[in-house]
Amino acid sequence: DTAVSQTPKYLVTQMGNDKSIKCEQNLGHDTMYWYKQDSKKFLKIMFSYNNKELIINETVPNRFSPKSPDKAHLNLHINSLELGDSAVYFCASSHSPGGRQETQYFGPGTRLLVL
Amino acid sequence: GDSVTQMEGPVTLSEEAFLTINCTYTATGYPSLFWYVQYPGEGLQLLLKATKADDKGSNKGFEATYRKETTSFHLEKGSVQVSDSAVYFCALIDGGNQFYFGTGTSLTVIP
Repeated sequence: DTAVSQTPKYLVTQMGNDKSIKCEQNLGHDTMYWYKQDSKKFLKIMFSYNNKELIINETVPNRFSPKSPDKAHLNLHINSLELGDSAVYFCASSHSPGGRQETQYFGPGTRLLVL
Repeated sequence: GDSVTQMEGPVTLSEEAFLTINCTYTATGYPSLFWYVQYPGEGLQLLLKATKADDKGSNKGFEATYRKETTSFHLEKGSVQVSDSAVYFCALIDGGNQFYFGTGTSLTVIP
């Protein structure tokens, strides 16, 4: 069983469209994250939710809106997609927010290409 | 603020060569340190971690020692294999809400 899963794995779409990426974890973790990885492999945190509440909201355009219907799911909705949104988006989870023992578990990534 | 600095890649080694990937950090508290590995087309996986000074993390032949005096957590492996080809990320967490990742170092091992 996959611990952290994301759908879709690949997403190719036109500029200006609205799209969503879904993430689910079956680890019983309380905290979930979204990261963006650019073409140079640089990894940047976007959002973090703990028990469905937003705890980290880095400087990302407000076209990106996370939604957490329950603590096992954290979806990412992107409005009015732009070319610069092309990247790999990783979902991750951890038992709790921070703490020196924490390990994050990553999903396989969603490769988004905006044309 | 907290940060992690990794050696720039890419790194290309022959099979059975010795590997070192340098990582240094800046943190206000007493962070835990991690190495994550990303194989081609996959997400990041935890490789090893150390939670206090002088701890050594090890896994799959890789090792890293938490050095508080030099604020470093260098990754080493004595004999790399082709299957070790991946991108390696150094990271820290200091008890706050956020991980800080390095920029990643790409390793290619050639037969």
